[in-house]
Amino acid sequence: DAGVTQSPTHLIKTRGQQVTLRCSPKSGHDTVSWYQQALGQGPQFIFQYYEEEERQRGNFPDRFSGHQFPNYSSELNVNALLLGDSALYLCASSQNVIVQDATNTEAFFGQGTRLTVV
Amino acid sequence: AQTVTQSQPEMSVQEAETVTLSCTYDTSESDYYLFWYKQPPSRQMILVIRQEAYKQQNATENRFSVNFQKAAKSFSLKISDSQLGDAAMYFCAYRSGVFNKFYFGSGTKLNVKP
Repeated sequence: DAGVTQSPTHLIKTRGQQVTLRCSPKSGHDTVSWYQQALGQGPQFIFQYYEEEERQRGNFPDRFSGHQFPNYSSELNVNALLLGDSALYLCASSQNVIVQDATNTEAFFGQGTRLTVV
Repeated sequence: AQTVTQSQPEMSVQEAETVTLSCTYDTSESDYYLFWYKQPPSRQMILVIRQEAYKQQNATENRFSVNFQKAAKSFSLKISDSQLGDAAMYFCAYRSGVFNKFYFGSGTKLNVKP
């Protein structure tokens, strides 16, 4: 099991440009969440995708958008990049379970994409 | 809204000794889960330990244990017999019982001295 994989690992973009980050969830997982982790801080929830739809969203502007594909993989798009968008972007996958089993409550994280906006 | 607070930005421990990392949280929910994640320089978040709010018994995973005080909304992590490989950022995280999203604290950097 490859776990959660993200690409690319590092990315440098210019202010105003657009960027797309990719995530493949852990095998058997159908829910993908994206987090932004600024330097020296904890991850902040951006949004979550399930059944190819955005199910929840954190306090991020519309410049941040996403997509989930039928194979459960996901993309995070950021338009009109700002210097403040420089961060580590983490993808987390999990199972959507109706009956909460504690063993299914954890999220598995990828290694992240380090985005630098210059 | 749920908030998670880690008041210790950095801590140091001698190899083989014990260290406790603190975490408090705020919520109005009754059903939730708490986690400690470890983030080494490789950046990958690794689950250390999990606690269900409905369980009174404190979770234990080998050298790692928690002190869960539900009324005080406190969730500390104790690492016994610290090893050099324990050096990393540690994040306390809250997960709602209903919504599958995590709220993280700001992290505690743990240094382990040989």
